[in-house]
Amino acid sequence: GEDVEQSLFLSVREGDSSVINCTYTDSSSTYLYWYKQEPGAGLQLLTYIFSNMDMKQDQRLTVLLNKKDKHLSLRIADTQTGDSAIYFCAELIYGGSQGNLIFGKGTKLSVKP
Amino acid sequence: KAGVTQTPRYLIKTRGQQVTLSCSPISGHRSVSWYQQTPGQGLQFLFEYFSETQRNKGNFPGRFSGRQFSNSRSEMNVSTLELGDSALYLCASREGHDGNYGYTFGSGTRLTVV
Repeated sequence: GEDVEQSLFLSVREGDSSVINCTYTDSSSTYLYWYKQEPGAGLQLLTYIFSNMDMKQDQRLTVLLNKKDKHLSLRIADTQTGDSAIYFCAELIYGGSQGNLIFGKGTKLSVKP
Repeated sequence: KAGVTQTPRYLIKTRGQQVTLSCSPISGHRSVSWYQQTPGQGLQFLFEYFSETQRNKGNFPGRFSGRQFSNSRSEMNVSTLELGDSALYLCASREGHDGNYGYTFGSGTRLTVV
């Protein structure tokens, strides 16, 4: 079945880089997403990558995709205290002709000053 | 452009009651999806509507239902509430219903069943 795995916690110091990892199971996934959730809030789309890409960079965010190993990572450069949140990896799964997102359990990023 | 609006933000209901949650998508977005978020199960897909038709459904009991109106606004209904239905219910909208369109989420409705 479909499954997305993430480590639950990551702690870094302000100014360091953070790397959040994710593995997924469905080799037919076309889009993979990273969402951020702050306390009491909904999900904010950070970035996404199409499955025919290896890397995507967007300001401080770099997404790396290894299709062979079904591994996705999100690197946040120069991590700030405002980056403290839960980060969700999600893959777009097609059931019939329609898609829905399968989410990981989320990685809680703590940034220490 | 206004984002995805969900009402109410918070709701407390008693076991056995029923509840209706509302979602107004981003203007021009015709697809609306619903997700349930709990500490134990994480984020789980409920259903997706496009052009007033349910296009996809997750693995939830029939107590969970939804509908979409001609203006793309959507409601979801949960009947005979159970304690385990306590969760954050998130709505997401997108322009189309295939993979080329990204999902924008609302802030959610936090439902507490007592």
